[in-house]
Amino acid sequence: AQKITQTQPGMFVQEKEAVTLDCTYDTSDPSYGLFWYKQPSSGEMIFLIYQGSYDQQNATEGRYSLNFQKARKSANLVISASQLGDSAMYFCAMRGPDRNTGGFKTIFGAGTRLFVKA
Amino acid sequence: DVKVTQSSRYLVKRTGEKVFLECVQDMDHENMFWYRQDPGLGLRLIYFSYDVKMKEKGDIPEGYSVSREKKERFSLILESASTNQTSMYLCASSYWDRDDGANVLTFGAGSRLTVL
Repeated sequence: AQKITQTQPGMFVQEKEAVTLDCTYDTSDPSYGLFWYKQPSSGEMIFLIYQGSYDQQNATEGRYSLNFQKARKSANLVISASQLGDSAMYFCAMRGPDRNTGGFKTIFGAGTRLFVKA
Repeated sequence: DVKVTQSSRYLVKRTGEKVFLECVQDMDHENMFWYRQDPGLGLRLIYFSYDVKMKEKGDIPEGYSVSREKKERFSLILESASTNQTSMYLCASSYWDRDDGANVLTFGAGSRLTVL
């Protein structure tokens, strides 16, 4: 069965420092996609970054990068130069085949709440 | 620039009431999803739909049903609300594709339901 694990319920980081949010996943499918979403206190989920299972390079989007270690089945999010506006919930997600329907579905981890300190 | 709209941001219902949560998207997406979000559990998939009048069970469909009569609208129905259905409900949509590529979900703002 597919599974996403985020072991850090909460994280603190000093403004302007880098922070790593952990994510491990489990799947038996060779082809899958990994995502990170941000949920501010307003509630709306915002897509941050994507990594395909066959991508050779780690994905980067501005201050966000995804540290993809396929053998270890980890997809950690690195936020560089943290800002106060980065304080939010962060969810790791995986999209892969749904054996029951023949289509695809996206599953999420429990999330990590990040607090950026001034 | 609103793309996924959930009809109610906050609802308070009584046990046994029938509850409708409406979701509308304006991006012509084929796929639509309903998740519930609970602290410590993340988002769990309730139902999803790949096309009009089509629906598939997610991981926690018990106690819920859905309706998709038009491409842009996906409704979540609680036939008889119970207190354990108190939660945040998130609707999302995406385009259809045949593989597991960068198919990003676009979410609504969420509907926080309290069942008393």
